[in-house]
Amino acid sequence: EAGVAQSPRYKIIEKRQSVAFWCNPISGHATLYWYQQILGQGPKLLIQFQNNGVVDDSQLPKDRFSAERLKGVDSTLKIQPAKLEDSAVYLCASSPMTGTRGEQYFGPGTRLTVT
Amino acid sequence: SQQGEEDPQALSIQEGENATMNCSYKTSINNLQWYRQNSGRGLVHLILIRSNEREKHSGRLRVTLDTSKKSSSLLITASRAADTASYFCATDARQGAQKLVFGQGTRLTINP
Repeated sequence: EAGVAQSPRYKIIEKRQSVAFWCNPISGHATLYWYQQILGQGPKLLIQFQNNGVVDDSQLPKDRFSAERLKGVDSTLKIQPAKLEDSAVYLCASSPMTGTRGEQYFGPGTRLTVT
Repeated sequence: SQQGEEDPQALSIQEGENATMNCSYKTSINNLQWYRQNSGRGLVHLILIRSNEREKHSGRLRVTLDTSKKSSSLLITASRAADTASYFCATDARQGAQKLVFGQGTRLTINP
């Protein structure tokens, strides 16, 4: 089966600019996650969707980050405006299970550099 | 905040040797998962162990869980160069929101 797809793979922007990331989960997976991974650290959950509803967004900086999952399939994560500390890899994952009962399947990530 | 903490932060061994990584966590959990991350394949799930399980095996991997000590270990036997990667434990806390919290990871290097 096809894996989790993400685009773009790399993005370089200047601070205060906007950027958007796209994720297409594995077909049929109900739960979709966006993680931020800063160099040298483990992934940190930003937002979790079940179908097209938000389950957890407690660690999403809502003043600058937004995410949506249209029709319970694809998802986009947007940063506006970007700050230097947003430089990180943004990982999308999906799971056929609800919550955290099962394994998560990760995409290749988008490496964001904010200059 | 990070729930799990891996130890050591970095480990370098010779090919063919066994590698052991440890994970400690703070609160009661539903399950604990181990993931591997390398530049070629990204983040990949290895094993999930539930709070009522004590040990699980998958090929050359063995995971143990001690809920009384709030700790887990990942053993890789007969290591290969392809095992070079970062290994993360991720915990699903029993209380609060259902989400995985990853540790900082152990960077494993297998020397030929």
